[in-house]
Amino acid sequence: EDKVVQSPLSLVVHEGDTVTLNCSYEVTNFRSLLWYKQEKKAPTFLFMLTSSGIEKKSGRLSSILDKKELFSILNITATQTGDSAVYLCAVRTGGGNKLTFGTGTQLKVEL
Amino acid sequence: DAGVIQSPRHEVTEMGQEVTLRCKPISGHNSLFWYRQTMMRGLELLIYFNNNVPIDDSGMPEDRFSAKMPNASFSTLKIQPSEPRDSAVYFCASTPFSRGLVSGNTIYFGEGSWLTVV
Repeated sequence: EDKVVQSPLSLVVHEGDTVTLNCSYEVTNFRSLLWYKQEKKAPTFLFMLTSSGIEKKSGRLSSILDKKELFSILNITATQTGDSAVYLCAVRTGGGNKLTFGTGTQLKVEL
Repeated sequence: DAGVIQSPRHEVTEMGQEVTLRCKPISGHNSLFWYRQTMMRGLELLIYFNNNVPIDDSGMPEDRFSAKMPNASFSTLKIQPSEPRDSAVYFCASTPFSRGLVSGNTIYFGEGSWLTVV
């Protein structure tokens, strides 16, 4: 059974802090790893990673994948209250589009 | 594009009643997914379709759950009879079907159907 584990489960930080969210996986036939941000509604796409060691960056968010150690991290620098959300990691496996999600990291950024 | 459209947005029903959730995927997307999200278990894949054909329904909890995709623009998830433990947010998502490592493909979620069974 494919497994995706995220840590920490929840996190409270102050504005301006830097946070690192973790995602490890044990799956068969890995294709790619994706990060999503979920506020009150549907998850919205952040990054897709397929190659080890290549950082993807979007503003204050960045992510990297390690296919040897089977994990990914999502970094958020200079956090803002608008970053408060659940961050979901998902792994795409097989020849189709099946995504297995972790349970998410609940991030709260306080003033 | 209107995105993935789900209905109803909210549903409160009594235990034992039948519940039908509906989804219209993004036009041109031929993979469709049903996910269930709860606090305890996170996002769980229930079933997914490629070209209207069910590919993997191993996540469907039990015989009370069934899903259909009669055409490329419509899918239903039915729970009969519903139970309080079915209370969750049910997300439908879609994506263009692709083989192999094609970068840029992700799945697009609807806004969810919030189900409460009392």
